[in-house]
This record gives sequence, structure tokens and C-alpha cells, in this order.
Amino acid sequence: AQSVSQHNHHVILSEAASLELGCNYSYGGTVNLFWYVQYPGQHLQLLLKYFSGDPLVKGIKGFEAEFIKSKFSFNLRKPSVQWSDTAEYFCAVNPFSGTYKYIFGTGTRLKVLA
Amino acid sequence: NAGVTQTPKFQVLKTGQSMTLQCAQDMNHNSMYWYRQDPGMGLRLIYYSASEGTTDKGEVPNGYNVSRLNKREFSLRLESAAPSQTSVYFCAIADRGLGNTIYFGEGSWLTVV
Repeated sequence: AQSVSQHNHHVILSEAASLELGCNYSYGGTVNLFWYVQYPGQHLQLLLKYFSGDPLVKGIKGFEAEFIKSKFSFNLRKPSVQWSDTAEYFCAVNPFSGTYKYIFGTGTRLKVLA
Repeated sequence: NAGVTQTPKFQVLKTGQSMTLQCAQDMNHNSMYWYRQDPGMGLRLIYYSASEGTTDKGEVPNGYNVSRLNKREFSLRLESAAPSQTSVYFCAIADRGLGNTIYFGEGSWLTVV
């Protein structure tokens, strides 16, 4: 079955620290890849996505992610986090298989200390 | 939230009661989804509808039914609510094709006592 793994469930960083959140998926075909952010009490919002071309994609608020096809990975990075980045982050995969499903990881809770 | 409206936003049910969560979109997207979000479990797909008139089971369909009334609306029904269905429910929409984003509604907080 198709699945998405997020390795870090909880991450605590100080402001200005660098961030990298891991995401691996299991599907051998073409995929769309996404990172979403959920601030407390809110719905999920798109941070960035990859579907083709340059494997390094840039999103909003200084986030970027790199698609490494050979590793089935799509890790999220930010060079310097801010207190306002405190949120839950979800990786998602849309296997381009005709089923139109979007499969989400279990999420990573990030807390940034001021 | 890209024109996805969910109702109600909050609901408390007694065990065994039934209710329907409504979702409507104004984006003219083909696909609609119902997810539930639970702590430590991420988002799990309950049902989805790739197009008007079709519905398919996701990961956790037991205890739920859905109806895709038309292109705009996709409802989720709990026939006999159980405490295990206490969760936050999100409706989402997407258009088909490579690179299309899934957009979420604001969520419905359901408590079953």
C-alpha cells in the first residue's frame, strides 16, 4: 500500500536554528509531492509542491524542499526558523495512478522557542 | 481556504445519534475528499469522490457513508455515532491532473459522548 513516513514527530528548535524535516514515500511511479502547514486551530495550508522539473522547490515563508527520486524522499528545509513557524507540518503524496488519492504523513509538530 | 465550506464547525453528539457533515465548494473541482485528523495519526482518508456520481472508500471508511449529490457538494454521514469517531473532520477538493493542489476546508470539530 502507498504510504508516507515522517520521521520526526516532535521537533523543538530555538529561533534562528536551521530546520530539516524528513519525508519518505512508498510508490514507484510518478508522484506529486506536497508540504502543508497547520497552525494551531486552523486548516492545512500549502507550503510548497513538486510535480516536475527542478527537484529543489521553493515555497512560502522561506521554506524549500528537495525531491530525491532515488531515495523516495522530499525533505523540508528552512535555514533560519522563527517563533511564528511553530505549527504542525504534513508531507503528502499524490500518486499519479488514476485514483486521485492524496496520502498524508502523520505530521511533525515543530515548536520554536523565542 | 479556496472556497471550501464545511458545516457545522462544532458538534457534540451522543453515542448512537446520527448526523451529516456538509461540504460545498465553489471552485468547480472534480475531486472531493473527507479526512479525519487525530493526534499522532495525521490525516486519514475516509472517503473520496473522483467525480460527480462516484465515491470510493479510503483508509478508514467504517462507520461512515458519503453522498456526492452534485459537483459542488459532498456530504459525510455518521449513522450511529461512536466515541471513536470523536475527531476533526476536513473536507478537501482538488482538480485532476499533474501538479494539482488539494485545498482544505476549515474543519468540523465533532465530539461523541
